[in-house]
Amino acid sequence: AQSVTQLDSQVPVFEEAPVELRCNYSSSVSVYLFWYVQYPNQGLQLLLKYLSGSTLVKGINGFEAEFNKSQTSFHLRKPSVHISDTAEYFCAVIVMNRDDKIIFGKGTRLHILP
Amino acid sequence: NAGVTQTPKFQVLKTGQSMTLQCAQDMNHEYMSWYRQDPGMGLRLIHYSVGAGITDQGEVPNGYNVSRSTTEDFPLRLLSAAPSQTSVYFCASRIMIGSYNEQFFGPGTRLTVL
Repeated sequence: AQSVTQLDSQVPVFEEAPVELRCNYSSSVSVYLFWYVQYPNQGLQLLLKYLSGSTLVKGINGFEAEFNKSQTSFHLRKPSVHISDTAEYFCAVIVMNRDDKIIFGKGTRLHILP
Repeated sequence: NAGVTQTPKFQVLKTGQSMTLQCAQDMNHEYMSWYRQDPGMGLRLIHYSVGAGITDQGEVPNGYNVSRSTTEDFPLRLLSAAPSQTSVYFCASRIMIGSYNEQFFGPGTRLTVL
């Protein structure tokens, strides 16, 4: 069965420090990959997506992610975080099969320390 | 465009009561979904629809019914509410054109079952 694993449930990081949020998926067929952000008491907002083409994807708010097919990973990075980045981040994958369901990871809560 | 709208934003039910969570989108998307979000569980798919008149079960369908009589609306019905259904519910609609694939979320409904 296809799955998405976010390796860290919580990540604390100091303001202006770099951050990487890890995401691995399991699939033997082609995938689309997404990162969503959820600010406190809000819905989910798309940060970035990989559909095809360049494996380095740039998103909103200075985030980027790299698709690594050999390692089945799609880690999210930001070179310098801000207090406003405090949120929960979800990795998601669409597996190219007949139902094209979106499968979500369990989320990583990013805590920005002053 | 209003995007994806959900009503109500908050709801408290007693065990055994029934209710309908409303979801509407004005983007003419064929694909719509309902998710529930619980702490540490990420988003879990309840039901989805690939077009008017077509619905299917997701990962956690028990206790919920859906129908899709129009492209715009995708209501979720709780037949007999249970405390285990206390959760935040998100509706989403999705555009799928060739390789372009993006899902848009509503603001959520926070449901408490006593």
